[in-house]
Amino acid sequence: DAKTTQPPSMDCAEGRAANLPCNHSTISGNEYVYWYRQIHSQGPQYIIHGLKNNETNEMASLIITEDRKSSTLILPHATLRDTAVYYCIVRVAGLNDYKLSFGAGTTVTVRA
Amino acid sequence: GAGVSQSPSNKVTEKGKDVELRCDPISGHTALYWYRQRLGQGLEFLIYFQGNSAPDKSGLPSDRFSAERTGESVSTLTIQRTQQEDSAVYLCASSLEAGNQPQHFGDGTRLSIL
Repeated sequence: DAKTTQPPSMDCAEGRAANLPCNHSTISGNEYVYWYRQIHSQGPQYIIHGLKNNETNEMASLIITEDRKSSTLILPHATLRDTAVYYCIVRVAGLNDYKLSFGAGTTVTVRA
Repeated sequence: GAGVSQSPSNKVTEKGKDVELRCDPISGHTALYWYRQRLGQGLEFLIYFQGNSAPDKSGLPSDRFSAERTGESVSTLTIQRTQQEDSAVYLCASSLEAGNQPQHFGDGTRLSIL
């Protein structure tokens, strides 16, 4: 019962922007879009989250469409260290929704 | 600042032995979570602590698994009489509180049962 759909893999060139798409067509009004990534042999790393406005932090930007049915994570200048599996999830902003669950994610390979 | 710290990073033990895994959350984070991740698999929720509230133990797979947390600091996950199917990476995460607060993870303890 996946709430998000992501491409299984993508390559990008070092130094270029990486644009990672995510579809969440059944998202509810009170659900946030979260992005995490997991580099090999490390724990998951929180990247960014948003409700409906675009968000930017030191790691990435999150662009959410006006209808909220899809979003794009942008890594502005990909480096080799950004090679990881990227997970897009939706979460209700409530105290009882704390059990994280990731789908298959997108395996991103940054090439020199 | 310091992130979530877990120890040991790797643990190899014989079947039937007890193991204790430790998690130091980010200072000030009231919520703490334990997950398990088998090789090539997703996250499996184990247990959640929030302040002084009763923990949510609904994800613990058997009564061989238990966890404690001292106040809003260190937590330990104990597995008694380990079995080979317990082999996995055990991940700890913490957040400011539950709800719309991102969980920040440690790098886990890789547990191998021989």
